[in-house]
Amino acid sequence: AQRVTQPEKLLSVFKGAPVELKCNYSYSGSPELFWYVQYSRQRLQLLLRHISRESIKGFTADLNKGETSFHLKKPFAQEEDSAMYYCALPPQGGSEKLVFGKGMKLTVNP
Amino acid sequence: EPEVTQTPSHQVTQMGQEVILRCVPISNHLYFYWYRQILGQKVEFLVSFYNNEISEKSEIFDDQFSVERPDGSNFTLKIRSTKLEDSAMYFCAARTQGFDTEAFFGQGTRLTVV
Repeated sequence: AQRVTQPEKLLSVFKGAPVELKCNYSYSGSPELFWYVQYSRQRLQLLLRHISRESIKGFTADLNKGETSFHLKKPFAQEEDSAMYYCALPPQGGSEKLVFGKGMKLTVNP
Repeated sequence: EPEVTQTPSHQVTQMGQEVILRCVPISNHLYFYWYRQILGQKVEFLVSFYNNEISEKSEIFDDQFSVERPDGSNFTLKIRSTKLEDSAMYFCAARTQGFDTEAFFGQGTRLTVV
């Protein structure tokens, strides 16, 4: 069964520090994972997706099939990065649902 | 930039009452979804809707829930007889085409059942 695990609920760092938000997955086949972000009082929005291999707002995420991980990283966190971050698996096998992790709250302090 | 809009932003209702949550998707979107998030828990899929019918639903989406898009614009989620455990954030989402296109989410409706 598809499953996404975000093992940490909270992460607090100071501005300029590196951040890594962990995500592990269980998926049969070749996954295309997403990271969604929710800033305070705003909607869930797509931050980045594995297949595009982009760096969005300085964030990158590499799929590691051996470790079944898709950790989100940023070398120098900014205060505006403070938000809830959700790792998600795409629809699979005819199912249309996104499968989300529990989310992680990132707080970047000045 | 077009957005998915949900109303109301917050609704308080008594247990046993019916509620209707509304969503206005982006005009060219074809696939519609409802998700919910109970406080402190993960975002969970409820139902998907395409071509004016339910295409998939989760085990959460029981007979108390229904969806419709009566006028080709608003996409609604109805809960017939609310229970305390229905208290959650409900998110509407929409996408243009197939599974690999981005899903755009509304800002959510916080439902509180008392």
